[in-house]
Amino acid sequence: EAQVTQNPRYLITVTGKKLTVTCSQNMNHEYMSWYRQDPGLGLRQIYYSMNVEVTDKGDVPEGYKVSRKEKRNFPLILESPSPNQTSLYFCASSFVKGGSYNEQFFGPGTRLTVL
Amino acid sequence: AQKITQTQPGMFVQEKEAVTLDCTYDTSDPSYGLFWYKQPSSGEMIFLIYQGSYDQQNATEGRYSLNFQKARKSANLVISASQLGDSAMYFCAMREPSSGAGSYQLTFGKGTKLSVIP
Repeated sequence: EAQVTQNPRYLITVTGKKLTVTCSQNMNHEYMSWYRQDPGLGLRQIYYSMNVEVTDKGDVPEGYKVSRKEKRNFPLILESPSPNQTSLYFCASSFVKGGSYNEQFFGPGTRLTVL
Repeated sequence: AQKITQTQPGMFVQEKEAVTLDCTYDTSDPSYGLFWYKQPSSGEMIFLIYQGSYDQQNATEGRYSLNFQKARKSANLVISASQLGDSAMYFCAMREPSSGAGSYQLTFGKGTKLSVIP
């Protein structure tokens, strides 16, 4: 089954304790992206990657890191989480077809709480 | 300026009636794409419909249609014959090129919460 998986789905942690949220897709998509969703703000893009070893900052990259060593995986790293990073996080992927239809397939979301 | 504006935080519609969810966008690039996603209370993001900036006709997918008015930079979602299962958050999003070669970003609006009344 074609899908985007995220782990963990739920995480409660404390300020300053490094964490990684994994994202994996099995559709051979070139493009992968992370978003955070906060009430009243919609989804905001954190980082995105056009392909292996190519990553770019989105609109809200501060406090986050990513890596793209393999095409299928795109982990999100919070080196020193803070309470303002409490949010619902989505990973998404899509094909890259320049200028044409690029539907993003979303993972199920990871609800992160930083105390 | 916001790239995607959804001016209706919440809307109500009677079951079986049609409803229009508004979306306006702002970009100077001639090549862009517009998406609508549905997010039910369970939280997953469900793709509904897509409109490319060069598409001549309005996109349709079953009960969903996109009223694309390029000159006004609007891409309203029309849901015909509303069903109770349509109650959800709806997000408009725009894909536009970014700095890297062949790269693009996706920007979402803040969403509209639609409630369908029996």
